[in-house]
Amino acid sequence: QSVLTQPPSMSGAPGQRVTISCTGQSSNIGAGYEVQWYQQIPGIAPKLLIYENKKRASGVPDRFSGATSGTSASLAIAGLQAEDEADYYCQSFDSSLSGRVFGGGTKLTVL
Amino acid sequence: QVQLVQSGAEVKRPGASVRVSCKASGYTFTNQDINWVRQAPGQGLEWMGWMNPNSGNTGYASKFRDRVTMTRDTSMTTAYLDLSSLRSEDTAVYYCARGLHYFDFWGQGTLVTVSS
Repeated sequence: QSVLTQPPSMSGAPGQRVTISCTGQSSNIGAGYEVQWYQQIPGIAPKLLIYENKKRASGVPDRFSGATSGTSASLAIAGLQAEDEADYYCQSFDSSLSGRVFGGGTKLTVL
Repeated sequence: QVQLVQSGAEVKRPGASVRVSCKASGYTFTNQDINWVRQAPGQGLEWMGWMNPNSGNTGYASKFRDRVTMTRDTSMTTAYLDLSSLRSEDTAVYYCARGLHYFDFWGQGTLVTVSS
């Protein structure tokens, strides 16, 4: 059971916009600890997409955007492309656990 | 360019220990924390802990605190993860990742298989 909760799977057609949610608690996102998002193609190491809630990592297209509100965060992907099919993870810090925490991951399928 | 290159796959018996290495290049090794993250087959990412290569200070997730040790050799710009008392549930890909609050570069991963 992950401290940060994500939907296990989502899907969208090419060109659509999808939003992946990451629900936390008052000890992590709700406390103001920043959220990161990673993309992982199966069998390959994760890649940093978004850091500090909404900053895009180097080389990440502006189709990807991050936001936070209260105890939740979200990753939006606009103009969905086949290459976006991957697993996506949110990550933050939890003061109760005194460590970094990941969401359970969301498998995104491009129809 | 920044690179983190990890050691090769390992097969261990239950109860044994394993050491995974992570050689850093392309940046000043002592300027950035190294974290270790693992991923069991078909599962999500699990943070294990961090190490400051400059001071050697460490912080471990409570789940691993009694079995894990993170060290470094600054002359070799290499970080090490030692995990003891291995059990089948420790079968996973182990990643090193650079960064304090976020992880901007990752190693390629090391598969550790625990099997009798």
